[in-house]
Amino acid sequence: DVQLVESGGGLVKPGGSLRLSCAASGITVSIAWMNWVRQAPGKGLEWVGHIKSKIDGGAADYAAPVKGRFTISRDDSANTLFLEMNSLKTEDTAVYYCATEDSSGCIDFWGQGVLVTVSS
Amino acid sequence: DIVMTQSPDSLAVSLGERATINCKSSQNVLYSSNNKNYLAWHQQKPGQPPKLLISWASTRESGVPDRFSGRGSGTDFTLTISSLQAEDVAVYYCQHYYNTPYAFGQGTKLEI
Repeated sequence: DVQLVESGGGLVKPGGSLRLSCAASGITVSIAWMNWVRQAPGKGLEWVGHIKSKIDGGAADYAAPVKGRFTISRDDSANTLFLEMNSLKTEDTAVYYCATEDSSGCIDFWGQGVLVTVSS
Repeated sequence: DIVMTQSPDSLAVSLGERATINCKSSQNVLYSSNNKNYLAWHQQKPGQPPKLLISWASTRESGVPDRFSGRGSGTDFTLTISSLQAEDVAVYYCQHYYNTPYAFGQGTKLEI
């Protein structure tokens, strides 16, 4: 069975940085397309970005609100996905979900999520 | 960028009755080369992460009850629950995966 377990969330001040991790089991992150999706408190889902599989080039793509501030990467040896978040703003406060994507682009499995709070 | 708009924002339906949620994309999400609609429906129950219900606009995931069905093509889609059960209380989101940035509708809250 696929399991995705996010960690690394917490409280950070505006302008600060945080790195989220998503430990995967049941899948191999190097051959999967992996996403980050966030959900602000009481709000809907917002796509943050994804990283292509190694065989497809491994490049990442981002939503406009986070481009230039967030970076998606992975550690193949640890089978873990990361989201490096810099220059954090209060509007980045959300639960961040790690999710897999099938070969067609459909997001097909979600982790449990981790809360990030950006506040002074 | 493709924008997804759902209607209604919330819906109350009696147990055993039909529930219908609409989703409209600002651009066509039907790929002419394979005649497939790049449209998914996700269900998020209170306090839980989302779960994929339907892909390709109408293909139910394994284990999803057949009371859930998806229809539509191009820019207009619907999710129908034929006979509402108590466990179907959730927020439902449509999502396109035609290109990036992927986008979700604002969600429809379904209540009894």
